[in-house]
Amino acid sequence: AQKITQTQPGMFVQEKEAVTLDCTYDTSDQSYGLFWYKQPSSGEMIFLIYQGSYDEQNATEGRYSLNFQKARKSANLVISASQLGDSAMYFCAMREDYNQGGKLIFGQGTELSVKP
Amino acid sequence: NAGVTQTPKFQVLKTGQSMTLQCAQDMNHEYMSWYRQDPGMGLRLIHYSVGAGITDQGEVPNGYNVSRSTTEDFPLRLLSAAPSQTSVYFCASSSRQYSNQPQHFGDGTRLSIL
Repeated sequence: AQKITQTQPGMFVQEKEAVTLDCTYDTSDQSYGLFWYKQPSSGEMIFLIYQGSYDEQNATEGRYSLNFQKARKSANLVISASQLGDSAMYFCAMREDYNQGGKLIFGQGTELSVKP
Repeated sequence: NAGVTQTPKFQVLKTGQSMTLQCAQDMNHEYMSWYRQDPGMGLRLIHYSVGAGITDQGEVPNGYNVSRSTTEDFPLRLLSAAPSQTSVYFCASSSRQYSNQPQHFGDGTRLSIL
């Protein structure tokens, strides 16, 4: 079964508007972490934001925020005031037992295109 | 501070050839991992290590070998390259001490098997 599901293969957003990228996850662990990475066309993986399963508040990093709904097992990324440079692939990832090497399980990604 | 360095950046191999993808990190991270990324897919874990001398298999380990003789280095070996191994390979590292810190990724190696 998919542990990380990103149901939007591609999305378009108008410059300066906000956009939400969906991510649902499946785990039986009580302690886990959720990450979002950005991958521009140049190919590198850029860390955006982290949410721990015990964090009571939604994580925010500049224009990025994470809408964490633990009961629904969702961790959606919200990008406010989209910029042309936000056009990229976005991956949601989960880390379960941290003592097992910190390894990540990735979703299939969402390709975001920002229109001028 | 170089972070995670992968070499080479690009490589073309013939079927049956062997090669080693190099990965080095200078952050004294205990944890290191290798992933592959195929078109239209997320990253999948090949092998990982929790420290020098300790490695384990990930989701897609077949056809690959790893070793971890030092904290800094975590090479990935393709034993007998196959066209199905054409992919982009990423090495990543993270600290055992801080679970809220992300994995740091290298820039990737684009590998084509003919």
